[in-house]
Amino acid sequence: GAVVSQHPSWVICKSGTSVKIECRSLDFQATTMFWYRQFPKQSLMLMATSNEGSKATYEQGVEKDKFLINHASLTLSTLTVTSAHPEDSSFYICSASLDGRGTDTQYFGPGTRLTVL
Amino acid sequence: AQSVTQLGSHVSVSEGALVLLRCNYSSSVPPYLFWYVQYPNQGLQLLLKYTSAATLVKGINGFEAEFKKSETSFHLTKPSAHMSDAAEYFCAVSDQGNQGGKLIFGQGTELSVKP
Repeated sequence: GAVVSQHPSWVICKSGTSVKIECRSLDFQATTMFWYRQFPKQSLMLMATSNEGSKATYEQGVEKDKFLINHASLTLSTLTVTSAHPEDSSFYICSASLDGRGTDTQYFGPGTRLTVL
Repeated sequence: AQSVTQLGSHVSVSEGALVLLRCNYSSSVPPYLFWYVQYPNQGLQLLLKYTSAATLVKGINGFEAEFKKSETSFHLTKPSAHMSDAAEYFCAVSDQGNQGGKLIFGQGTELSVKP
């Protein structure tokens, strides 16, 4: 149980285009989903927290207009990287939790590797 | 503010040897602590978590961790390393307040296992 999927697993795009990444909880309803960014050999940096039906909460320094997050249902959250540039190339990982409490386990997706040319 | 420090970005052990990965935390409230493992090009998998119950927590794959409040530590151990344990390990702390269970991750420790 508690499986989270991401699609696509990898994507290559041209500079200036937009890319959408999907995060789905397959066998449970996730009240809260999180989006992380991970550079090579580095730790995960939280980008934003999203709750179903409400606006995402972005971490300091993360551009809301560049990284659009939509949490339309209890099983789906999407991250859209708008007008992507090479510096946006990274490994993006989502996670989902049942109710977003501190004790709750976050279940992680397999990640999406984005390369912007 | 909460933070996590993992001592040693890279740890190398021989197969069958003890694994010890160090994690120290800073928190103004009793923390919830987690250890995750990440294999190359994959997401994170939960090994174990501490949520103010027993201080010695047993996880999957033979790993365990002990919460020591006096030392603000939550070190991860495994008595006998296996080749399949080679991976990146992350310690994380979760807040209890109104921030919806945000995880703050340590820098990660890469574990290598020599035959």
